[in-house]
Amino acid sequence: EADIYQTPRYLVIGTGKKITLECSQTMGHDKMYWYQQDPGMELHLIHYSYGVNSTEKGDLSSESTVSRIRTEHFPLTLESARPSHTSQYLCASSGGAYSPLHFGNGTRLTVT
Amino acid sequence: RKEVEQDPGPFNVPEGATVAFNCTYSNSASQSFFWYRQDCRKEPKLLMSVYSSGNEDGRFTAQLNRASQYISLLIRDSKLSDSATYLCVVNSPNYGGSQGNLIFGKGTKLSVKP
Repeated sequence: EADIYQTPRYLVIGTGKKITLECSQTMGHDKMYWYQQDPGMELHLIHYSYGVNSTEKGDLSSESTVSRIRTEHFPLTLESARPSHTSQYLCASSGGAYSPLHFGNGTRLTVT
Repeated sequence: RKEVEQDPGPFNVPEGATVAFNCTYSNSASQSFFWYRQDCRKEPKLLMSVYSSGNEDGRFTAQLNRASQYISLLIRDSKLSDSATYLCVVNSPNYGGSQGNLIFGKGTKLSVKP
């Protein structure tokens, strides 16, 4: 079983607040990803990283930012949360270009 | 044409039925293929990788047809617990920089009824 952890599991926060969603993996994977998924809808890639100090935007425009200072840690930050950010955020990691993704159990964000 | 396309579903089948899902991909340079399962409001979980020669894991069989650029998943003797959304995933060398990335299909929902 993959060792990738996300916190918090659920978060309800007011509009305008700054939030950071945490994601850590203990597998030493270089590649890490953030996906956004609304209930019953498809996954959308919002950020990815190929290693330390590497971050790229995905195919879905997002107001969030990410950082990759350590291999095992890939946090996602929203500077000013809005109701439109309400969604599930899934973090994943991979051991290589042709390897499968391993997902964390997600953070379900609600912005009121 | 989208990079990865799946049967739209939903598939509603009785217990014990055999069900097959197909998925087509557009990039002929794709090298790795997977099927994931996602339960409602949960994260996707790897069901199986798909190898060129085809592979089987219990009641599940995955096949790859490179010439026609599709992969398939066959589930035999369906169980109630098989009810989930099945995601086709394909590596695309040109997606997301030089290292490529995995592209997820939209998923096919399976509902197995008693």
